[in-house]
Amino acid sequence: SQQGEEDPQALSIQEGENATMNCSYKTSINNLQWYRQNSGRGLVHLILIRSNEREKHSGRLRVTLDTSKKSSSLLITASRAADTASYFCAGANSKLTFGKGITLSVRP
Amino acid sequence: DAGVIQSPRHEVTEMGQEVTLRCKPISGHDYLFWYRQTMMRGLELLIYFNNNVPIDDSGMPEDRFSAKMPNASFSTLKIQPSEPRDSAVYFCASRPGQGDNQPQHFGDGTRLSIL
Repeated sequence: SQQGEEDPQALSIQEGENATMNCSYKTSINNLQWYRQNSGRGLVHLILIRSNEREKHSGRLRVTLDTSKKSSSLLITASRAADTASYFCAGANSKLTFGKGITLSVRP
Repeated sequence: DAGVIQSPRHEVTEMGQEVTLRCKPISGHDYLFWYRQTMMRGLELLIYFNNNVPIDDSGMPEDRFSAKMPNASFSTLKIQPSEPRDSAVYFCASRPGQGDNQPQHFGDGTRLSIL
């Protein structure tokens, strides 16, 4: 079963715009993590938010967590063409369970 | 610093053949994970180890799959005999042992094609 379910499945925006991606999960978690995957490469960790945190920032990334709704969102501000990739959320409780990912395309 | 190293990067073989995928985790990481990624099923956890001991192999699809970790710096995932439906990208990941609030570090995967 998948812990993370991302929404939308695909997103296309213009460079400079913000990108918002949502994730829902099913069971209790210790933390929620977001990863990026470029074509033909492995996943790269972006940001981790613990279950007792509500919001976290890292550079152009902002992640929120609502444990009552079992949902999280990832905001990428001032997007760049280099942000084009697939993005995955994963709920963590001793192991990670990933969703199927969101394909983000940033048009120059 | 070297990241997680997987080999080979690509493997093409005929069905029925034995396939061995290899992984070298980041030095000092206590946990090692094997995943399989396909378009249909996404990223699935197959098995993970803690201090070289298999902890959870519930994701291993069937007896044709086996994984070993003979020491802290090496793990293998073996498929015998291979079938076309095993075609996928297989990832290895590792993380430090200090609790769950640690990210995983992924290799670049092995793209496996079974003809």
